[in-house]
Amino acid sequence: QITLKESGRTLVKPTQTLTLTCSVSGFSLNTSGAGVGWVRQPPGKALEWLGVIYWDDHQRNRPSLGTRLTITRDTSKNEVVLRMTNMDVVDTGTYYCVRIRDLLHFDNWGQGTAVTVSS
Amino acid sequence: QTVVTQEPSFSVSPGETVTLTCGLSSGSVSTSHYPSWHQQTPGQAPRTLIYNTRTHSSGVPDRLSGSILGNKAALTITGAQADDESHYYCVLYMGSGLWVFGAGTKLTVL
Repeated sequence: QITLKESGRTLVKPTQTLTLTCSVSGFSLNTSGAGVGWVRQPPGKALEWLGVIYWDDHQRNRPSLGTRLTITRDTSKNEVVLRMTNMDVVDTGTYYCVRIRDLLHFDNWGQGTAVTVSS
Repeated sequence: QTVVTQEPSFSVSPGETVTLTCGLSSGSVSTSHYPSWHQQTPGQAPRTLIYNTRTHSSGVPDRLSGSILGNKAALTITGAQADDESHYYCVLYMGSGLWVFGAGTKLTVL
């Protein structure tokens, strides 16, 4: 059974860095074509794709995030880590990790974790 | 900037068929965008229904189907049921490891 679960601090102050961990099971982060993406959802709004990291460590981010977003992986722990710097109130929302299969296809989703940016 | 378009809302009666669409603000959707569809009920995580235009995710019934209709991707729900009432999001692959979600369609079954 494939599962993904997000964890991390859920309240951050403006300008701080958000760090979230996606713990995966049931599939290998080293499998060719495998990836883990991050998607967020502001309250009452639509899903937004943030970025992805692939089995070969290649990473792509939503262009508007520039260098604020870094996604890394620790295959020994089966974890993918999202770091987003300089957080702002508009970054408030629920953050999901999602399994990407065969390079291109969204598949299993995590349960999500709600993040609030507030002073 | 590329915008993925979806109907904001749709209503369907139980037992009827409804087709939701996913387009581009500029250009046509093709299989090369690898469209996928995701269902989300309030307070829940999204669930993948269809990927790679028409491939069913595990456990998704055949009465849901994906296709390309004209210049858009489409999700057709045949024999709508009460528990189909959800938000439906499409997402398109724009190349170079980049994806764009649509704003979602709120489907009401009444």
